[in-house]
Amino acid sequence: DAGITQSPRYKITETGRQVTLMCHQTWSHSYMFWYRQDLGHGLRLIYYSAAADITDKGEVPDGYVVSRSKTENFPLTLESATRSQTSVYFCASRSGTSTDTQYFGPGTRLTVL
Amino acid sequence: AQSVSQHNHHVILSEAASLELGCNYSYGGTVNLFWYVQYPGQHLQLLLKYFSGDPLVKGIKGFEAEFIKSKFSFNLRKPSVQWSDTAEYFCAAFNFGNEKLTFGTGTRLTIIP
Repeated sequence: DAGITQSPRYKITETGRQVTLMCHQTWSHSYMFWYRQDLGHGLRLIYYSAAADITDKGEVPDGYVVSRSKTENFPLTLESATRSQTSVYFCASRSGTSTDTQYFGPGTRLTVL
Repeated sequence: AQSVSQHNHHVILSEAASLELGCNYSYGGTVNLFWYVQYPGQHLQLLLKYFSGDPLVKGIKGFEAEFIKSKFSFNLRKPSVQWSDTAEYFCAAFNFGNEKLTFGTGTRLTIIP
């Protein structure tokens, strides 16, 4: 039971480069989410998706792009990475039922130099 | 907009002490409430959740939380903590309006052996 996986787990990149973080879930959950975790801010929602081909902005979407061509995948792209995007990124998924638990991936630690 | 407040940013306790972590939410309507735990270097895991019914909810590892509607609170408790409870704890509220979880900023718990 793979659940929800993220890759890479660690990434170092330079300012201005494009970076894509991958998220894959095996439960066929309809909802998927991307959060960033920063000290003092807790978890902030970047983007989410209610189903394939449906995405919407969260609290802090600027500088990020998402797509969801398949239900199981939800990649997050930083089009031109900035130092302020250094963070730990968590992907999460949930079924369509509002009372269901939201499950989190292991996270990707991204450093932008 | 819905918000979740965790007023204790860092709590330090000795083993066997009792624990109570505060959580307040702003939304006055129907809420689903969650506590997640993040052990060092790991992803978020569900501790417990409240949807309806008995306001005293029991979760894993001896944790419990009480939903007090009149106080908009959902405090987490454990009668006797262990060193292995050292982690960050996040309270979250599910917003039925936008179908998303809103997280508090987290409470870091350090247990001294």
